[in-house]
Amino acid sequence: GAGVSQSPSNKVTEKGKDVELRCDPISGHTALYWYRQSLGQGLEFLIYFQGNSAPDKSGLPSDRFSAERTGGSVSTLTIQRTQQEDSAVYLCASSSFRRGGGNEQFFGPGTRLTVL
Amino acid sequence: TQLLEQSPQFLSIQEGENLTVYCNSSSVFSSLQWYRQEPGEGPVLLVTVVTGGEVKKLKRLTFQFGDARKDSSLHITAAQPGDTGLYLCAGVDGGTSYGKLTFGQGTILTVHP
Repeated sequence: GAGVSQSPSNKVTEKGKDVELRCDPISGHTALYWYRQSLGQGLEFLIYFQGNSAPDKSGLPSDRFSAERTGGSVSTLTIQRTQQEDSAVYLCASSSFRRGGGNEQFFGPGTRLTVL
Repeated sequence: TQLLEQSPQFLSIQEGENLTVYCNSSSVFSSLQWYRQEPGEGPVLLVTVVTGGEVKKLKRLTFQFGDARKDSSLHITAAQPGDTGLYLCAGVDGGTSYGKLTFGQGTILTVHP
């Protein structure tokens, strides 16, 4: 079956513009995560979805960042009024849910966002 | 907030050499995962260690979880150019219902032929 897909793969935008990043998780995975990764660095947690709800959005860096998930499937991460410091690779992952965690998260290839 | 310190940040070695990557924290994790990431792709899970003191082997890779479940190491024997990539450790927070991952900063490994 298909893995996690993300679109676009690359996005170049001007400072102050809004951007939308899309994630299609593996079918049947109820858990979905967004991370941000700076060049060659570790992953910074942004938000976790279980179904369409986001019980943990503690990693969103400011109110310019928001995310939603519909139909228990596709998720969109929106960044409003983009700033240069928002430039990074945004990764999405999905997994089946197990209380306490530890299930394998399957990652998409990421969206590379460049804010000029 | 749980933090995971990973070292070294960069490692450049010759084919055939051995290497060790370390992940250390002051926090206890319910389990710890190691990922490998190649350019333009997302991380891929290599192994999950769960029990304090646990050792897992994956061909030439040996993973160890500390007795207190606060630290872990990845040892590669006789490294090969195909081992080149970004290695990430991630601690699983058992205090959350879904096992929130905290990632180390990553180790960029380059193995020269």
